[in-house]
Amino acid sequence: NAGVMQNPRHLVRRRGQEARLRCSPMKGHSHVYWYRQLPEEGLKFMVYLQKENIIDESGMPKERFSAEFPKEGPSILRIQQVVRGDSAAYFCASSPPATGGHEQYFGPGTRLTVT
Amino acid sequence: KQEVTQIPAALSVPEGENLVLNCSFTDSAIYNLQWFRQDPGKGLTSLLLIQSSQREQTSGRLNASLDKSSGRSTLYIAASQPGDSATYLCAVRANSKLTFGKGITLSVRP
Repeated sequence: NAGVMQNPRHLVRRRGQEARLRCSPMKGHSHVYWYRQLPEEGLKFMVYLQKENIIDESGMPKERFSAEFPKEGPSILRIQQVVRGDSAAYFCASSPPATGGHEQYFGPGTRLTVT
Repeated sequence: KQEVTQIPAALSVPEGENLVLNCSFTDSAIYNLQWFRQDPGKGLTSLLLIQSSQREQTSGRLNASLDKSSGRSTLYIAASQPGDSATYLCAVRANSKLTFGKGITLSVRP
């Protein structure tokens, strides 16, 4: 059973471009979470999705950021008009289809650099 | 609002020493607590998961305890090795999301 997969692993964008980060959850997992790790800071929750639904987006910046988890295919975190402050490691995690104390399994992350 | 604190931010010990990493959290209404390891520039490796109803979990040289009422957890590492050098993150889960501490960067000197 493959783990959580993220691609690309490294992404370089110029200011003003769009960044698309992909996350494929573990097989059988239908819950996806995105976290961001800024330099010298801890990981911060961004958004929690189930298939075709955004459940909790309380950690998402109000502008330029969006996330989706379609019925088919990976979850996508999209950042429009990137700025230097968006440079960070973005981690995706997944968990089984149940609420409560299930473990979240993390992917290797995508490191976004904005030049 | 849940806050997770890990102090100190960095720790250096000689090889072979037993050590304890501390984690505290402000809201005891949690589902579980996880300890992770992160190597520089890498992803997160889950070390131990303690459910809110449990008191401790063990894996090899690692033992994690949880005192939910006082908002504390400890990660005990026995007989530390240079390969244990990494950043150790504590995270608590309430509802949908994990709230992380900033981590403790451990250096084990040969």
